[in-house]
Amino acid sequence: GEDVEQSLFLSVREGDSSVINCTYTDSSSTYLYWYKQEPGAGLQLLTYIFSNMDMKQDQRLTVLLNKKDKHLSLRIADTQTGDSAIYFCAEGPNTGFQKLVFGTGTRLLVSP
Amino acid sequence: NAGVTQTPKFQVLKTGQSMTLQCAQDMNHNSMYWYRQDPGMGLRLIYYSASEGTTDKGEVPNGYNVSRLNKREFSLRLESAAPSQTSVYFCASSEASSTDTQYFGPGTRLTVL
Repeated sequence: GEDVEQSLFLSVREGDSSVINCTYTDSSSTYLYWYKQEPGAGLQLLTYIFSNMDMKQDQRLTVLLNKKDKHLSLRIADTQTGDSAIYFCAEGPNTGFQKLVFGTGTRLLVSP
Repeated sequence: NAGVTQTPKFQVLKTGQSMTLQCAQDMNHNSMYWYRQDPGMGLRLIYYSASEGTTDKGEVPNGYNVSRLNKREFSLRLESAAPSQTSVYFCASSEASSTDTQYFGPGTRLTVL
C-alpha cells in the first residue's frame, strides 16, 4: 500500500530557512499536500502541488517535487516562532475516490 | 460560518463503555471523514462518507461504526471502548472528492481507561 515518511523533528533559529522533507511510495499520486497542525488544533492546508509540477512558490513557502525519487520538500523562508508546529505531508492517489495518506508529521521548533 | 465542529473536546471512558463522537460542517460539503491521530503514526483514516447516504471503511475501521445522518453531520460510534482506542479523533470534510481541500475540526481527545 501507500506509505509516506517524514523525519520526526526539526529545530531551527528564528530567521533561518527550514526544510521539511517527505518521501512517498505511490508513483501514481496526483496531488501532494502540506498541512500544518498547531498545538491543540486540527490540520490546516498550507499548500499543495500537482504531480506534473516541479516547484510551487507561495510567499514564504516553496514546495519542491522530485517525482523520480518520490521526494517532496517544504521550505519555509525567514522562519518565525509562529511557524512552530507539526507539518504533515500527504499524498492523494490517482483514481476513483481519493483518500489521502498522511505521513507521520515533522515537529518544527523555532527558537528565538 | 463555523467550518467543521466536533463535540465533545475531551472524553474519558472506562473499558467497555460506549459513546458517540459528533461532527458537523456548515460548508455544504459532500464528503466527510473520520481520522485518528496517534503519536508517531500520523493520521489514519477510520471511515469516510463520499456523499450523503454512503459510508465506507478506511484503513482502521475495527471497533468503530459511523452514521451519515444528513449532509451536515457524520458521527463516529465506539460500541465497546478499549484502551487501544485512546487517541485524538479528527473529523474533516471536503467539497467532493478528497483531492479537494479537506477542512479539519479541532479534534476530540479520548482516553479509555
